[in-house]
Amino acid sequence: QQQVKQSPQSLIVQKGGISIINCAYENTAFDYFPWYQQFPGKGPALLIAIRPDVSEKKEGRFTISFNKSAKQFSLHIMDSQPGDSATYFCAATLSLTGNQFYFGTGTSLTVIP
Amino acid sequence: DAGVIQSPRHEVTEMGQEVTLRCKPISGHNSLFWYRQTMMRGLELLIYFNNNVPIDDSGMPEDRFSAKMPNASFSTLKIQPSEPRDSAVYFCASSYRVGANVLTFGAGSRLTVL
Repeated sequence: QQQVKQSPQSLIVQKGGISIINCAYENTAFDYFPWYQQFPGKGPALLIAIRPDVSEKKEGRFTISFNKSAKQFSLHIMDSQPGDSATYFCAATLSLTGNQFYFGTGTSLTVIP
Repeated sequence: DAGVIQSPRHEVTEMGQEVTLRCKPISGHNSLFWYRQTMMRGLELLIYFNNNVPIDDSGMPEDRFSAKMPNASFSTLKIQPSEPRDSAVYFCASSYRVGANVLTFGAGSRLTVL
């Protein structure tokens, strides 16, 4: 069973536009939701993360929106830039264990100049 | 810190050969994870270690896969014999304590089995 479902699989956005990637999770015990960014030939790197006690977290042009009742969270990239072109993974985990990160299947983002 | 170091970065081998992938975690990190990434299945956790001890290897696809962590600064993932369906990018990641919630990934080892 897929613990974290991510959509869309791929996304093409014009420079300056808003990129939105959505994730849904199953386990209500999850209490930490990170997003990882992966450039070609590199490993995923932590981009931004949120805990379910807040509905939104913003870091620069990146914002996570969290809907606990719907068990959904999303990444918004404002003023998307060609340098944002990468694969984005959402994930969920239990803080108490911190061992099992359940990753989404990834979204390939292309920002067109 | 140099980050998580993996080797080799690329490996091309023939079916039936033994493949050994290596990982050096960040110094001081006591949790180590091996992931496999494919287009079809995304990132899959294969196995993880806490304090050099394997905790959960339920993600290891089959007996052809084995992993060891003889000390805090080194881990290996071995595939013997390798098959074409093992072709993927294998990532090692480490975390400084259980519950830290931050995984630091290496650059990956791209394996191609012909």
